[in-house]
Amino acid sequence: AQSVTQLDSQVPVFEEAPVELRCNYSSSVSVYLFWYVQYPNQGLQLLLKYLSGSTLVESINGFEAEFNKSQTSFHLRKPSVHISDTAEYFCAVRANYGGSQGNLIFGKGTKLSVKP
Amino acid sequence: NAGVTQTPKFQVLKTGQSMTLQCAQDMNHEYMSWYRQDPGMGLRLIHYSVGAGITDQGEVPNGYNVSRSTTEDFPLRLLSAAPSQTSVYFCASSYSWLAGAQPNTDTQYFGPGTRLTVL
Repeated sequence: AQSVTQLDSQVPVFEEAPVELRCNYSSSVSVYLFWYVQYPNQGLQLLLKYLSGSTLVESINGFEAEFNKSQTSFHLRKPSVHISDTAEYFCAVRANYGGSQGNLIFGKGTKLSVKP
Repeated sequence: NAGVTQTPKFQVLKTGQSMTLQCAQDMNHEYMSWYRQDPGMGLRLIHYSVGAGITDQGEVPNGYNVSRSTTEDFPLRLLSAAPSQTSVYFCASSYSWLAGAQPNTDTQYFGPGTRLTVL
C-alpha cells in the first residue's frame, strides 16, 4: 500500500518570495507522483506529474518538483510566488507496477497563502 | 468534451434521507472514482470502478453505494444520510486503472464537486 505525508498543513509566504511545499511518500512498489492544486471553491487541477525519465518536472506556471527516490520525496517549489498562487496543494501517489491496484492516494494538503 | 460533470453542486439533506450524487464523463474512461474531502483530511477514496459492471470499495465506503451500468456514469448513493457525511464530494476518472498503462493516459480528471450538508 502507498501513503503520502505532506509535512506542512499551512505555508504563509510573501509575494515574490520562494516557496517549497514538502511531500514524502511510502510505497513497496514504484510509483507515479502527482501534485494537484485546488483554488478556493473549485475542484482539483493537475499541476504536474512524474511518471518516468527526468526527475525534475515543471508546470506551465513556474512550479517544479523533483523526484528523489532515495529520500522518497517529491517536493514542490517555485522561485517567486504570486498572489494568484494562493490555493491548497495536494501531493498524490499511484502504484505503477503492473497488476497493482492503481488508486490515487492523496496527502492531507498544504494551504499556501501568499501575502502582499 | 465536457470532461467530468457532477450534479448537484450543492445539497442539504436531513438525517435519514437518501439521495444520489450524479457523475458522468465523456472521455470513454475505464476508471472512475468517488472521493470525499474534509478539512485537514485531504481526499479519501470512497468507491471506485475499473469498468462497466465492476466496482470496489475504497478507504471509507460505509454508508455509500455505487453502481456502474455504463462507461459514462458512476452515481454515488447515500442510503441514509448522517451528519458525518457532510463533506465535499469529488468524482474523478482516468483512462485506465492498471498500473503500467500508457503513462500519458494515466492522469485523473476531477469534477467540480458537490457540497453536501446533512442536518
